[in-house]
Amino acid sequence: GAVVSQHPSRVICKSGTSVKIECRSLDFQATTMFWYRQFPKQSLMLMATSNEGSKATYEQGVEKDKFLINHASLTLSTLTVTSAHPEDSSFYICSAKTGPGEETQYFGPGTRLLVL
Amino acid sequence: DAKTTQPNSMESNEEEPVHLPCNHSTISGTDYIHWYRQLPSQGPEYVIHGLTSNVNNRMASLAIAEDRKSSTLILHRATLRDAAVYYCILRYSGGSNYKLTFGKGTLLTVNP
Repeated sequence: GAVVSQHPSRVICKSGTSVKIECRSLDFQATTMFWYRQFPKQSLMLMATSNEGSKATYEQGVEKDKFLINHASLTLSTLTVTSAHPEDSSFYICSAKTGPGEETQYFGPGTRLLVL
Repeated sequence: DAKTTQPNSMESNEEEPVHLPCNHSTISGTDYIHWYRQLPSQGPEYVIHGLTSNVNNRMASLAIAEDRKSSTLILHRATLRDAAVYYCILRYSGGSNYKLTFGKGTLLTVNP
C-alpha cells in the first residue's frame, strides 16, 4: 500500500525557535497533502490543504504566517512552525492523496512536537 | 458538512465480530462514507469507504442502510491489533475539496 513518512518523529525545541516537519509520499505522487494537529485526548483538526506548486489553503483560525507550508514537489510537503510557543506542543500529522477521483488519504505516522 | 454520530466507546472480545455503528441522518446524495482508524500514538489508517452499496475489503465490511442515514463498519474477527479509535466521516464528493473532518470517533477495546 501507499506509504507516507514524516520526519522527525519527535522534536523538542525551545520557545521562540522554528521547527520544520517533513512529509513524504514514498511510493506514489501526491498532488494534495493535508496537515492536521491533534492535542491529547482530542480528535484530529485539519490545519491546511496544500496542492503541489500552489499556495496552501488554511482552515479558519490557523495562522498562515505561523504555520508555513511548502509543497514544492509531488512527494514532499513541509510544515514549519515559526516562533514556536508551548501552546504549539502537539501531535502533527500529514496525509496525502493521489490525483482527482482518488478518495483514500494515506496518513503519516505523526510528529510529536514539545516546545519548552 | 454533514455530521456523524458514533458511540464514544465499545468493547469486543477477541475473535468475535464487531459492529461499529454510525448515524448520519443529514447525509446528502453526494456524500461518501469513510472509515478511518487510529491506533495509539499513530496516524490514522484508511479502513474502507462507500457511497450507496455495501463494500468489502480485506480489513472490513461496510454496510450502508438503504436510506443512507446510517452505516455499520463490520470487523469480522476482532484481534487485539484492532483496538483503536474508529472514525466515521462524510466527505462531499462534489468539487475538488477532499478534506476530511474528524469527529470524536468510537474507542474500540478488544478483550483477550
